[in-house]
Formats: sequence, structure tokens, C-alpha cells
Amino acid sequence: GQSLEQPSEVTAVEGAIVQINCTYQTSGFYGLSWYQQHDGGAPTFLSYNALDGLEETGRFSSFLSRSDSYGYLLLQELQMKDSASYFCAVRERDMRFGAGTRLTVKP
Amino acid sequence: EAQVTQNPRYLITVTGKKLTVTCSQNMNHEYMSWYRQDPGLGLRQIYYSMNVEVTDKGDVPEGYKVSRKEKRNFPLILESPSPNQTSLYFCASSLSFRGSTDTQYFGPGTRLTVL
Repeated sequence: GQSLEQPSEVTAVEGAIVQINCTYQTSGFYGLSWYQQHDGGAPTFLSYNALDGLEETGRFSSFLSRSDSYGYLLLQELQMKDSASYFCAVRERDMRFGAGTRLTVKP
Repeated sequence: EAQVTQNPRYLITVTGKKLTVTCSQNMNHEYMSWYRQDPGLGLRQIYYSMNVEVTDKGDVPEGYKVSRKEKRNFPLILESPSPNQTSLYFCASSLSFRGSTDTQYFGPGTRLTVL
């Protein structure tokens, strides 16, 4: 089975960099994904790591280390609109999400 | 426009009254799934389907049924709803589960209240 652990809340200021960690226990998976969800909205895809290493998409980067059962999402140049919940997820045939990290960006 | 649609968006019902939440995607995706979202628990997968006529249980399938008769549609059926099924439900689709990318597209959500 799979279980994913991520911090429940993170607070940062505008313009800063924040890292949201995700540790997992799984017997095998295709990759680690990250999703963003604003209050009242649907989750939207941010990033996916099939292989170890760093994936960069604009201000967002995601990292995976299968040997350490660990990944993270890095958000740079934080903006107020980045205030949202962020979920890591692993995909085998099924898909499992972490409980989510609520990011609050303050001015 | 590429999208996943769900209906209804809001539903209040009573215990035991059968209901169906529809889900449709227009992207010719193979993989579709249903999730429920409850405070503090994140998204939990109910059922998923890797293609037409292929469905599998997710993490929390009890009390739910699904079918995949056509590629674009994946309805969620609650034969006898109970109050513990009060939740926010999301349908999602992706091209496949084997690919080098893993973009899942989510529907807008259905907020269900069972009294």
C-alpha cells in the first residue's frame, strides 16, 4: 500500500521561497505528482516526476528521490495567488494523495 | 474546450434514495477516476477505470458503484446513500496511467449532502 506524509500548514511571505516536503511509503509507483487546489476549486496539475531529480516549470520545481522515499515541491518568488492547498500523489494503477499542505502567503 | 464535466454540482438527498453523479470528458482519455474529499483527509480514490469496461476499486469503494460503458462517461452510483457519504466528490481523467506524464484533469466537483 501507499501512505504519503506532508506538513499540514506552511506560511511564507510574498517574494520568498517555500519548500513543501512529501515522504511516502509505497511498494512501487510510476511517479510523484503535485496538485494545487484553491479554496472552492478543483485540484489542478502542477508537476510530475517519473524519474529521480528536479523538474522545473516556471516558478515551480519538483524533486524526487526514490532511494530516500522523498519528494518536494519548491515555489519561488511567492505571490499572494499561490495561497492554496498543495497535494502530493503517487500513481500505480490506483492513485493516492497526501492530506495536503495549506500554504498561506502573507504580504 | 478540453474539460471534465460533472452533474449535478450540488445535491441534497435523504438516506437510502439512489442517486447517480455523472462525469464526462471530451479528451479521449483512457483513465478516469472518482475521488471524495473530506476535511483533513485529502483526496481519496473511490474507483478508477483504465479503459472501457475495466473498473477497479480504489481506497474507499464501499457504498459506491461505477460503470464505464463508453470511453467518455464514468458515472458514480450510490445505491443507498448514507450520511457518512456526505462529501465533496471529484471526477478526473488522464490520458493513461502508464505515460511519462501524469496530468489528471479534474471536474468542478459535486457537493453531496445526505440527510
